[in-house]
Amino acid sequence: DAGVIQSPRHEVTEMGQEVTLRCKPISGHDYLFWYRQTMMRGLELLIYFNNNVPIDDSGMPEDRFSAKMPNASFSTLKIQPSEPRDSAVYFCASLDSLSYEQYFGPGTRLTVT
Amino acid sequence: DQQVKQNSPSLSVQEGRISILNCDYTNSMFDYFLWYKKYPAEGPTFLISISSIKDKNEDGRFTVFLNKSAKHLSLHIVPSQPGDSAVYFCAASLNSGGSNYKLTFGKGTLLTVNP
Repeated sequence: DAGVIQSPRHEVTEMGQEVTLRCKPISGHDYLFWYRQTMMRGLELLIYFNNNVPIDDSGMPEDRFSAKMPNASFSTLKIQPSEPRDSAVYFCASLDSLSYEQYFGPGTRLTVT
Repeated sequence: DQQVKQNSPSLSVQEGRISILNCDYTNSMFDYFLWYKKYPAEGPTFLISISSIKDKNEDGRFTVFLNKSAKHLSLHIVPSQPGDSAVYFCAASLNSGGSNYKLTFGKGTLLTVNP
């Protein structure tokens, strides 16, 4: 298996623009997580899905952030409009509920200028 | 409000010696703990875990110790190798019978193992 795939790996955009981050989980995994990593706050959980259904979105910072999982093999995290303080590395992870191990993707480094 | 704290941002050790990474937590309801390792430009990878019903778990060179009364866990790496140089994250969860997979992470400790 190729592991968790994220795209793009790097994104540079201007303030006010819409940003869409993409994730393909490991096939067969029934949980998907979106995290954000910053120097100040470390690794924070934004939202997670089980069988494509959002279970907990309490970590989503504000209404500018939204996440979808239209099917078992694809999820998006959208920021609209983007702001400089959204600059961070965003990770996607997936998990098989028979195990406790979350498998992380390589991350998307987002820079908003 | 950091529920999982790694108070040492960095640690430097000599190859062959023991590395000890520490983690404290504030939520007494946490009952499952994990350590992840992260290399630059990669995502975190699972290293080792421990349930609150145990006080020690060992996997090769890696051992995790849990002190529930002190709300403290530590990761020991013996012997340390240069390839262990990475950021180590401590994470905790409310297992709740095995259906809660939400993890709360610490900010990480950068371990450097010098040859």
